Amino acid sequence: DIQMTQSPSTLSASVGDRVTITCRASQSISAWLAWYQQKPGKAPKLLIYQASSLQSGVPSRFSGSGSGTEFTLTISSLQPDDFATYYCQQSGSYSITFGQGTRLEIK
Amino acid sequence: QITLKESGPTLVKPTQTLTLTCTFSGFSLSTNGVGVGWIRQPPGKALEGLAFIYWDDDKRYRPSLKSRLTITKDTSKNQVVLTMTNMDPVDTGTYYCAQYSYGYLLWGQGTLVTVSS
Repeated sequence: DIQMTQSPSTLSASVGDRVTITCRASQSISAWLAWYQQKPGKAPKLLIYQASSLQSGVPSRFSGSGSGTEFTLTISSLQPDDFATYYCQQSGSYSITFGQGTRLEIK
Repeated sequence: QITLKESGPTLVKPTQTLTLTCTFSGFSLSTNGVGVGWIRQPPGKALEGLAFIYWDDDKRYRPSLKSRLTITKDTSKNQVVLTMTNMDPVDTGTYYCAQYSYGYLLWGQGTLVTVSS
């Protein structure tokens, strides 16, 4: 199985900050990478798919980039609603695995 | 509108078999490229993909759990069933079903399964 490594595990930031989360795949997955936001007690919410495509209804402050083995999720200006846990997910060859998550907390 | 809903027991005893059903609407599991799968999340921990089944009946399992998992589909009923044998307290968590399409997942609300005697 393809392993996904997210960094950092925890990120402390303030409202208005620009933050970046990185996800690395153990082998090339082309652009088969999605990002999710999860809040406590809720199902994950799709933010980005195919590495850089913004899901309908997701604010434009979220953006994704990368291909091959290295990917990033950027939030351009943090809003209070953005403090949550973020996961990357790959689907190379229909085998689906997740990163270990990045908890974004208020500084 | 795509919706998925998980159903099954909330409490199972150790060594028992868990059977979960995902009932979905708004899409067909006969459509090329579409799949449905199961993901779990132990309390306070990360997401773990368990099993996926695709439009062409291809099945993929988490390698470490492959011997305990079976996933099947009933296209006419819009249902996918996951069975997991020999349940253990470490299998406690929220179990989600999700639609797979073009590399990403759309999720059900999840169901909490507790394994305890």
